[in-house]
Amino acid sequence: DAKTTQPNSMESNEEEPVHLPCNHSTISGTDYIHWYRQLPSQGPEYVIHGLTSNVNNRMASLAIAEDRKSSTLILHRATLRDAAVYYCIPISRGGTSYGKLTFGQGTILTVHP
Amino acid sequence: NAGVTQTPKFRILKIGQSMTLQCAQDMNHNYMYWYRQDPGMGLKLIYYSVGAGITDKGEVPNGYNVSRSTTEDFPLRLELAAPSQTSVYFCASSYGEGGGTNIQYFGAGTRLSVL
Repeated sequence: DAKTTQPNSMESNEEEPVHLPCNHSTISGTDYIHWYRQLPSQGPEYVIHGLTSNVNNRMASLAIAEDRKSSTLILHRATLRDAAVYYCIPISRGGTSYGKLTFGQGTILTVHP
Repeated sequence: NAGVTQTPKFRILKIGQSMTLQCAQDMNHNYMYWYRQDPGMGLKLIYYSVGAGITDKGEVPNGYNVSRSTTEDFPLRLELAAPSQTSVYFCASSYGEGGGTNIQYFGAGTRLSVL
C-alpha cells in the first residue's frame, strides 16, 4: 500500500476555504486517491475520490498534482459541521476488488465560529 | 433508507464473556466489512465478505469470528472477550465496484469495553 503523510491538525474559520494536503509520493500509477472524513463519535464518511484529473462534488473538490505525488482536499466554505478527522487513502485500481481501506492518522480539522 | 445499522451502540463485557455485534444494511450491497478503531488511531480491518457465504480475514482477525448467511447481515462474534478488544467497532458495506472506485458506507459504531 502507498504510504501517506498528512498534517496532524489544521484550523480554519467558518465560511473560509480550507485546503487539506496529503503527500503520497509512493503512489503507483494505478492507485485512486480517496478521501474520507470522520465526524466526532461517528463512523467514517466518504468525501471524494479521483485518479488524475481534479474532481468536484457537492461536498468538496480534489486537486491532484500533475506528478500524482500529492493531492489537496478543498472545502470551499468551511462550516462547523466540517470539523472532523480527514483521511487520505490510496486504493489500487488493479488490486483486490473489495477495496481495502487503510486508515492512517489523518488530519484533525478544527473550525472556529 | 437506513443504510448500515449497528447494534448495540454500547456494551460492557467481563473478561471471558461472549457477544455478537450485529450489522445490517438495506442497500443490497455485496461487500461488507468489520473494522475496529482504538483511541486516537485509524481503523483496522478485522474481516470482510464479498457475498453471502463468503468471508475472509483482514489485518486483525484474531479473537473474532464472522458469518454471512444473507446479503443484508454480517454479524461479528467475540468468543472470549479480552481487555485488548476494548475498542469501537464499525461495520461498513459497499457495492463492490472494483477497480479502485469502491465506496464504503459506515455504520455509527458499537463502543465495547471489556473489564
